[in-house]
Amino acid sequence: DTGVSQDPRHKITKRGQNVTFRCDPISEHNRLYWYRQTLGQGPEFLTYFQNEAQLEKSRLLSDRFSAERPKGSFSTLEIQRTEQGDSAMYLCASSLGTGPSYEQYFGPGTRLTVT
Amino acid sequence: SQELEQSPQSLIVQEGKNLTINCTSSKTLYGLYWYKQKYGEGLIFLMMLQKGGEEKSHEKITAKLDEKKQQSSLHITASQPSHAGIYLCGAVGGADGLTFGKGTHLIIQP
Repeated sequence: DTGVSQDPRHKITKRGQNVTFRCDPISEHNRLYWYRQTLGQGPEFLTYFQNEAQLEKSRLLSDRFSAERPKGSFSTLEIQRTEQGDSAMYLCASSLGTGPSYEQYFGPGTRLTVT
Repeated sequence: SQELEQSPQSLIVQEGKNLTINCTSSKTLYGLYWYKQKYGEGLIFLMMLQKGGEEKSHEKITAKLDEKKQQSSLHITASQPSHAGIYLCGAVGGADGLTFGKGTHLIIQP
């Protein structure tokens, strides 16, 4: 078990460009979450998947954001037409099941800088 | 919506001293998680508490959830440089995504 992995670890992009991040969860985990963390704040929930189904989206997830989890394995988060306000750490987490009894394991994050 | 308030926001402690970090919820907690984050990195799971009055320990770190399930504390005994980082409490909110506090920055002075 290698834990949750994310790629890339860092991304610098110019405003208006599109970016895509990848998350590989722990292999047997059917739940996958995306969070965003800005400086000095705790992570904020964006969206989550139960297998391949995207079940919930936060109001923070604007139309420029899209997430997929084909085949219920890895997930991608795409941001279109990036804005400076999108600069943040994007964290992925996975869990074995639903509800408060199942801890979420986080990846190392992808730090996005929009110039 | 649920809000978590952590105190203190930052803490500087001399190596070897004990310390306590608090997390207070605006609503009843049905699952309270403690994570540690090193600067610029992901979150490391420490402990999860569910029952009122529950207490868990791992090495020199003890976490408690009060009987009313609205407040949790994290206590570190005999702090070491390896304890430095940001401590975050998280609670199950809507849709099973976690709601986090802003974190407590812990610095250990040698």
